[in-house]
Amino acid sequence: GAGVSQSPRYKVAKRGQDVALRCDPISGHVSLFWYQQALGQGPEFLTYFQNEAQLDKSGLPSDRFFAERPEGSVSTLKIQRTQQEDSAVYLCASSPPWLYGYTFGSGTRLTVV
Amino acid sequence: EDKVVQSPLSLVVHEGDTVTLNCSYEVTNFRSLLWYKQEKKAPTFLFMLTSSGIEKKSGRLSSILDKKELFSILNITATQTGDSAVYLCASDPNTGTASKLTFGTGTRLQVTL
Repeated sequence: GAGVSQSPRYKVAKRGQDVALRCDPISGHVSLFWYQQALGQGPEFLTYFQNEAQLDKSGLPSDRFFAERPEGSVSTLKIQRTQQEDSAVYLCASSPPWLYGYTFGSGTRLTVV
Repeated sequence: EDKVVQSPLSLVVHEGDTVTLNCSYEVTNFRSLLWYKQEKKAPTFLFMLTSSGIEKKSGRLSSILDKKELFSILNITATQTGDSAVYLCASDPNTGTASKLTFGTGTRLQVTL
């Protein structure tokens, strides 16, 4: 597609519920990143894929967070047993092999109540 | 721990004013500094700065990097209401191709009539 597409745009989850956030990167972009942006803060790195390989997951805050990109295209970020502190905008970005083309999606705003 | 600090945190100016946004960084590895504009959710790319002292310019926006003093500034001249946004800067480590970014908290700019 023309840009990075994320769905859903908004998600309200009850505490303890599992959620799955989807990212559809720009066609041909091998690199895919997930960031978490809390209110009033800058985005914070969560995890990085090159094709289907998850090369860095050092930013995932707990083992409740899991990301996958099984076919090297669409990626899903899953959060199990959501907590209130998980409320944030989750941004996905994709990039061709050089960083100059780093493009963000519009994000998913997750609210845990 | 890598750190990127932006100032001021927020700024209100009148249309036509010139503004300067600041970004300082303390990072282990540095390849480039990036500026993004975030109006709603998706940060959009403005500049990538790699070399000291070379101004990058795009219309009314310009930016420069000082690698000795570890800071960058973003200037906006003749501001317009459409410039109202959060401006983020981020450091890119020297780890090869696409890599994770460390963001500052952003400067929220509001341009009033």
